[in-house]
Order: sequence, then C-alpha cells, then structure tokens
Amino acid sequence: KQEVTQIPAALSVPEGENLVLNCSFTDSAIYNLQWFRQDPGKGLTSLLLIQSSQREQTSGRLNASLDKSSGRSTLYIAASQPGDSATYLCAVSRGGGATNKLIFGTGTLLAVQP
Amino acid sequence: GAGVSQSPSNKVTEKGKDVELRCDPISGHTALYWYRQSLGQGLEFLIYFQGNSAPDKSGLPSDRFSAERTGGSVSTLTIQRTQQEDSAVYLCASSSLTGLETQYFGPGTRLLVL
Repeated sequence: KQEVTQIPAALSVPEGENLVLNCSFTDSAIYNLQWFRQDPGKGLTSLLLIQSSQREQTSGRLNASLDKSSGRSTLYIAASQPGDSATYLCAVSRGGGATNKLIFGTGTLLAVQP
Repeated sequence: GAGVSQSPSNKVTEKGKDVELRCDPISGHTALYWYRQSLGQGLEFLIYFQGNSAPDKSGLPSDRFSAERTGGSVSTLTIQRTQQEDSAVYLCASSSLTGLETQYFGPGTRLLVL
C-alpha cells in the first residue's frame, strides 16, 4: 500500500529565505507526482506536476525534483514571501490502469513571517 | 474558462439525514474525482469517473455513499443516513486525460453532521 509522508509537518521562516519541503513515498511505481498548495478554507491549487520519467519541474520561484528510485521529492521555494504561507501537499498517482487516483501526504504548514 | 465548481459550499445537517453534493467539472474534462478531507484521515480518494467507463468506487467508505455522473459532466455525491464521522470537506477534481494531466480541484463542500 502506497504511503506518502511529508516532513516537516510545520515550518516557520522569515521572509526572503529559501526553503525546502520534503515528500517521500513507499512504492516507487508511480506515474506522476503533484505538488499542491491549500489556503485555509479553500480547495487545492496545483503548483507543479512531475511525470515519473522527469527529474524536475520549475515554475517561477518554485522547483520540484523527483527521485523515483529512492521514493523522494522536494519542493524548493526561493526568496519566500508572506503570500507563500499555506499548507503544501504532495500527491502521487499510480496510473497505468483505469484510475489515476492521487495518494496524498499529510502536508506541510508553511508560515512566512514578514 | 471557469474552473471546477461545487455546491453547496457549506452544509449542516442532522445525523440520519441524506445529503447531496454537486460538482461541475471543467468543460471538456472527461475524468472526475471525489476526495474527502477530514482531520483524522487527511485527504483520501473516494470515487473516480472516466468517460463512459464503469466508475472506480474503491474508495467509498461504506454503502451509504454513492455517486453518479450524468451526461459525462455534472456529478452528484450522495450520503445516506449521515453520521457524525461523515463531517469533512468533500473535494471534487477533474482532468482531461487519465494519468497524464493535472487534476484541478474545486473549492470543496464543508459538511457538518450534528
């Protein structure tokens, strides 16, 4: 059974710092991995999607890497801003069949202090 | 274009009542997912629809839960004889192709069973 873990559970940093969020998964047979952010009381916003054949994806100040063989992904946020404060979730999909359901980690609650 | 929409945004009901939650996916998206986000369980998959294929119901927690998708577009999640443990945020997502595309999430329906 696929299990997804995120470390740390919570993180508080001063504005301007670079930071790394970690995600690990137990079954390396994934199809893709997505990073989401969730603001309080809101739905999920997709940040980056990495296919299993890819090593990394970048969008603006965000960079996500994937090491499928070791079951790890990191989300790097450069020059953090107070607006980055949210819960960050990673999710993996198995694909290769009829369902591409996502298995989610428990999230990292990020607070960027001005 | 419009994103995924869900209604109602909030629902308070009494234990034992039935509730219906609605999801309007992004136009043209053939895949539709329901997830549940609760304090104790995190974010978990419930059910998946893809085109005219039989839905994947493997995540439904009990036979009190059912869902349908009419005309390949709008979906309704029904919970019969609600219990307090059904209290959660119910999230709907859609994507254009199974396993290949980002899943786009709606804002969710917050269900409280008293």
